[in-house]
Amino acid sequence: KAGVTQTPRYLIKTRGQQVTLSCSPISGHRSVSWYQQTPGQGLQFLFEYFSETQRNKGNFPGRFSGRQFSNSRSEMNVSTLELGDSALYLCASSVGTAQETQYFGPGTRLLVL
Amino acid sequence: GEDVEQSLFLSVREGDSSVINCTYTDSSSTYLYWYKQEPGAGLQLLTYIFSNMDMKQDQRLTVLLNKKDKHLSLRIADTQTGDSAIYFCALGGTGRRALTFGSGTRLQVQP
Repeated sequence: KAGVTQTPRYLIKTRGQQVTLSCSPISGHRSVSWYQQTPGQGLQFLFEYFSETQRNKGNFPGRFSGRQFSNSRSEMNVSTLELGDSALYLCASSVGTAQETQYFGPGTRLLVL
Repeated sequence: GEDVEQSLFLSVREGDSSVINCTYTDSSSTYLYWYKQEPGAGLQLLTYIFSNMDMKQDQRLTVLLNKKDKHLSLRIADTQTGDSAIYFCALGGTGRRALTFGSGTRLQVQP
């Protein structure tokens, strides 16, 4: 069974731009969670989607948003990029809920200049 | 708030055992995980333990859970150079909306 896939793997953007990242979960998994990883803050939870609905959200500004499609694929969007948004963005999928075991993708590394 | 702590760095020689430790403050988690991250990669699930267990063994990996002291450890037997990576403990399960991660322990294996 294929693992979690994320595209693109690398992105370079400039301040003020917006970006969309994509995540395809493991087949049969319906929950998708997003995390941000930075050297200073470590791994922080962004949000979780299940059945096309955002179920939980972390403490990030409204510039960070996401959605989930009927095939469980998810996208996250960051608008008005800031230098501090440079990070590795990790997507994780689990079968039914975020309380179950989460399997991570390889991440998208975003650099904001 | 939740607090999960790990030591930053551990260096061992190839063939020795490695023990990576994790302490936490919130004991409500039903699952406790260990993830491995190699340079430039995502998180690889290594193993996990249910909160009602004290120990779990999985090939070269042994997880110990001391609920009284809120202490979790990962022992890697016969450590190899390919084990060099950052190891994260994470709390999850019932009542948690997401995984809570420690800061990670960088394991360096010297030949």
